[in-house]
Amino acid sequence: RKEVEQDPGPFNVPEGATVAFNCTYSNSASQSFFWYRQDCRKEPKLLMSVYSSGNEDGRFTAQLNRASQYISLLIRDSKLSDSATYLCVVNVAGANNLFFGTGTRLTVIP
Amino acid sequence: NAGVMQNPRHLVRRRGQEARLRCSPMKGHSHVYWYRQLPEEGLKFMVYLQKENIIDESGMPKERFSAEFPKEGPSILRIQQVVRGDSAAYFCASSPPVYEQYFGPGTRLTVT
Repeated sequence: RKEVEQDPGPFNVPEGATVAFNCTYSNSASQSFFWYRQDCRKEPKLLMSVYSSGNEDGRFTAQLNRASQYISLLIRDSKLSDSATYLCVVNVAGANNLFFGTGTRLTVIP
Repeated sequence: NAGVMQNPRHLVRRRGQEARLRCSPMKGHSHVYWYRQLPEEGLKFMVYLQKENIIDESGMPKERFSAEFPKEGPSILRIQQVVRGDSAAYFCASSPPVYEQYFGPGTRLTVT
């Protein structure tokens, strides 16, 4: 079973729309959670960490549900520049590395 | 503030040759991670190093692959006798002793 599972999409949304991505993780010992963004043929870039209380950064809101082992990312007022692949990332207690989902592809259409 | 540096950005090798990939972590970061991304797949952890020490190599293939992070100089990922299946993007990430990792631009290895 994969450590992190995401809907690969693609999600095609018009500019200005609100879009939500979900992610589930399998290991209950997971302790740190992140969303990374990866543009085509580029490196992953940290978008935001995800805290138990939920957190917001501008148009982006991340939520964590430990009971359901579920993480979400909400993007409001989508911009063309939001088009990318969004990676759900988890660190498990005692592990030295990050576990990456395969990513959800978003295309924002003018 | 230079980020994580990797070179070369693109590397072409014939089957059987050796590939050497270099990574210089961000200033102040002492932890280096190597990941591999195959086409249309997610990133897969390979190895975690601190200066002069391999901490976790559980994701490294048992043969042909090795990594080092010497006291001076960049971290090196070395692939001996490359095969076509080694063609991938290899990303290096660095972090201070916390969990947020910052990635370099990657080296795209093509084996012909």
